[in-house]
Amino acid sequence: DAGITQSPRYKITETGRQVTLMCHQTWSHSYMFWYRQDLGHGLRLIYYSAAADITDKGEVPDGYVVSRSKTENFPLTLESATRSQTSVYFCASSKTGNSGNTIYFGEGSWLTVV
Amino acid sequence: DAKTTQPNSMESNEEEPVHLPCNHSTISGTDYIHWYRQLPSQGPEYVIHGLTSNVNNRMASLAIAEDRKSSTLILHRATLRDAAVYYCILRDEGGGSNYKLTFGKGTLLTVNP
Repeated sequence: DAGITQSPRYKITETGRQVTLMCHQTWSHSYMFWYRQDLGHGLRLIYYSAAADITDKGEVPDGYVVSRSKTENFPLTLESATRSQTSVYFCASSKTGNSGNTIYFGEGSWLTVV
Repeated sequence: DAKTTQPNSMESNEEEPVHLPCNHSTISGTDYIHWYRQLPSQGPEYVIHGLTSNVNNRMASLAIAEDRKSSTLILHRATLRDAAVYYCILRDEGGGSNYKLTFGKGTLLTVNP
């Protein structure tokens, strides 16, 4: 089963460039999330979406933009990449926001900003 | 979100049971206890969750203390594939932030052959 997929898996970009990380899930889950993981900080929530056209900020939203025109897609855009945005990015989805529900994660997108 | 405390690291031998502890002394009555793990270079993976009663699934067992201030994830027979960082996370059933997971540093489990 396809589940949740992220692309690209690996990306090197230059400071100031715009970068979009794609996330696609095949379960029709309502909730989708973007986390970033850095050494020393663990996983931190960037943005989340409760449904198509509904998005909200997480813990570290600055420098990122999201959209969700379709339930299955939740792209994350770095409008002007900075070196501090070098990180591993994980997309995740959940059937509902109920705390008994499981959250499923993608395999990650490794982004390096030079 | 209520906080959890886990040991930074633990070590086990292959095919032996592993007990991973988690303290959550400020847990509220509506907090679910979730466990996720993250294998090297992969995204976090759901392991198990529970509210009050002990839970079992194909991956592990979750033992919850009677006062709910601590819990233990039990891997019955550790394999090399179980080497990962294990996260104990509380999610509030009734709160406005119940949609998300808040990750701590977790426990790094090393499994020796």
